[in-house]
Amino acid sequence: AQKVTQAQTEISVVEKEDVTLDCVYETRDTTYYLFWYKQPPSGELVFLIRRNSFDEQNEISGRYSWNFQKSTSSFNFTITASQVVDSAVYFCALSANRDDKIIFGKGTRLHILP
Amino acid sequence: EAGVTQFPSHSVIEKGQTVTLRCDPISGHDNLYWYRRVMGKEIKFLLHFVKESKQDESGMPNNRFLAERTGGTYSTLKVQPAELEDSGVYFCASRPDSFLGEQYFGPGTRLTVT
Repeated sequence: AQKVTQAQTEISVVEKEDVTLDCVYETRDTTYYLFWYKQPPSGELVFLIRRNSFDEQNEISGRYSWNFQKSTSSFNFTITASQVVDSAVYFCALSANRDDKIIFGKGTRLHILP
Repeated sequence: EAGVTQFPSHSVIEKGQTVTLRCDPISGHDNLYWYRRVMGKEIKFLLHFVKESKQDESGMPNNRFLAERTGGTYSTLKVQPAELEDSGVYFCASRPDSFLGEQYFGPGTRLTVT
């Protein structure tokens, strides 16, 4: 069975602090893809990143960075120097292959306080 | 390029009534997906169309839900009769038929059944 666990339901940090959102996944597939999506207050789901199971290199995009560790089945997301505009619900997700359904975690609601 | 659009953005209906949600995918995207998030729970896959054919409908909760994609363009999701537990946000996503394609999500339709 495939499962994504986001243990942090809600996090609040003060602006400019760094914050890490945790994601742990379960799958028996050897080939899979991991995603992060952002859902701002406006409601749409915004794609942030996709990683495949064969690429464990960490990725950095501006203030965002992702740490993929197969050994612990984790795909954590860090926002550096957080900003109020980062306030949103963040979903970690998994799919067994590119054409398959996406399995989402329950999401972490992030509040960035001014 | 226009994104995935969904109509209506919000629908409030009474238990027992019928509601039809519409999704217009990005032009040229053969793959269309429906997901939903009921209150407090994770976003869950409902079904996947490839053009006009249902590729995977394993997530459809019961026979009160009927999805169609006539002509392989837009899709409709009908709930008949609606129950209280159907309340939630229904997302549509589309993906081009290419190895590098991502699922692009629409803004969602918030359905409230009273």
